[in-house]
Amino acid sequence: KQEVTQIPAALSVPEGENLVLNCSFTDSAIYNLQWFRQDPGKGLTSLLLIQSSQREQTSGRLNASLDKSSGRSTLYIAASQPGDSATYLCAVGRSGSSNTGKLIFGQGTTLQVKP
Amino acid sequence: NAGVTQTPKFQVLKTGQSMTLQCAQDMNHEYMSWYRQDPGMGLRLIHYSVGAGITDQGEVPNGYNVSRSTTEDFPLRLLSAAPSQTSVYFCASSYMGQVNEQYFGPGTRLTVT
Repeated sequence: KQEVTQIPAALSVPEGENLVLNCSFTDSAIYNLQWFRQDPGKGLTSLLLIQSSQREQTSGRLNASLDKSSGRSTLYIAASQPGDSATYLCAVGRSGSSNTGKLIFGQGTTLQVKP
Repeated sequence: NAGVTQTPKFQVLKTGQSMTLQCAQDMNHEYMSWYRQDPGMGLRLIHYSVGAGITDQGEVPNGYNVSRSTTEDFPLRLLSAAPSQTSVYFCASSYMGQVNEQYFGPGTRLTVT
């Protein structure tokens, strides 16, 4: 059974710091991996999607990497800003000949960036 | 595009009442799903659909029904609400295929007393 773990559960950093959020998964036969952002009381906003054949994706100050062999993904945030404060979730899409899109979520890392 | 929309935003039910949470998407996505989010449990899949007329159970389907009569709509029905169904419910949609980035609605916060 696929399990997704995110460590740490919470992180507080001063503004301007570069930081890394970690996501690990137990079954390397994944279809893709998606990082989301969730603000308090809001829905999930997709940040980056990495297909199983890719090793990384970049969007602005965000860079996500994927290492299927070790069962790990990292989300790198450069030059963090107070507006980056939110909960970050990673989710793994299952592998299979017919992808049904089911995602297994980690429990998230809550990030606070202090001015 | 409105993306994925959900109604209502908030709902309070009494134990035993029934209701339907609405979800609609205007992106012509084949795949739609319902998740619930609970503190300490993360997001868990309730039901999903890979196209009109096709639905299947996820991880926590008990107490919920779904149907998919059109590509756009995927309602979630609570048959007889229980306090254990107090949660935040999210609907999501995506294309089928390799690049199936999932898009989530804003959520419905449900309280069952």
